Amino acid sequence: AQTVTQSQPEMSVQEAETVTLSCTYDTSESDYYLFWYKQPPSRQMILVIRQEAYKQQNATENRFSVNFQKAAKSFSLKISDSQLGDAAMYFCAYRSLNRDDKIIFGKGTRLHILP
Amino acid sequence: NAGVTQTPKFHILKIGQSMTLQCTQDMNHNYMYWYRQDPGMGLKLIYYSVGAGITDKGEVPNGYNVSRSTTEDFPLRLELAAPSQTSVYFCASSKPGLAGGRGEQFFGPGTRLTVL
Repeated sequence: AQTVTQSQPEMSVQEAETVTLSCTYDTSESDYYLFWYKQPPSRQMILVIRQEAYKQQNATENRFSVNFQKAAKSFSLKISDSQLGDAAMYFCAYRSLNRDDKIIFGKGTRLHILP
Repeated sequence: NAGVTQTPKFHILKIGQSMTLQCTQDMNHNYMYWYRQDPGMGLKLIYYSVGAGITDKGEVPNGYNVSRSTTEDFPLRLELAAPSQTSVYFCASSKPGLAGGRGEQFFGPGTRLTVL
């Protein structure tokens, strides 16, 4: 069975600095999606970035980028130039691309931005 | 295009009462999901549906029921509410993973439910 592990329950970063959130997963599949979702205090779940496993190139969305290491089953999120609005809970998620089509979420990392 | 809408936003329920949380999506997604999120915790899947007339249990289905009579609607029913069901409930929808596209789920704004 697939699992998603976020080993950092909480992290803090100074405003304008860079922070990396870790995510590892376990799967025997070769094709899948990986996602990072952000949940600010409003509780709305917002997609930050996505990665398709067959793509070697790391996804980037403005200040957000990932380091996808397929062999190591690692999918970390880097936030550059951290802003106060980045303070949120961040969830890593895995989506299987077989008929099972399971979606597995990690337990989340709460990110604090220090002014 | 409203996406995924949920009603109500907040509700207080007495122990033993029942209620239905409503969820509607206008993106013609086959897949719909119900999650609960306890304070400071992650998401736990309650029930999901891969199409109208088809539902299946997630990891925490006890105390809940669902139905899916249309593609758009996926209501969650709480029977005999208990304090342990105090939580924030999220509905989500998506295309099937193998349907192509971006693969992500779209979430509603959540319903904060308190059982006293």
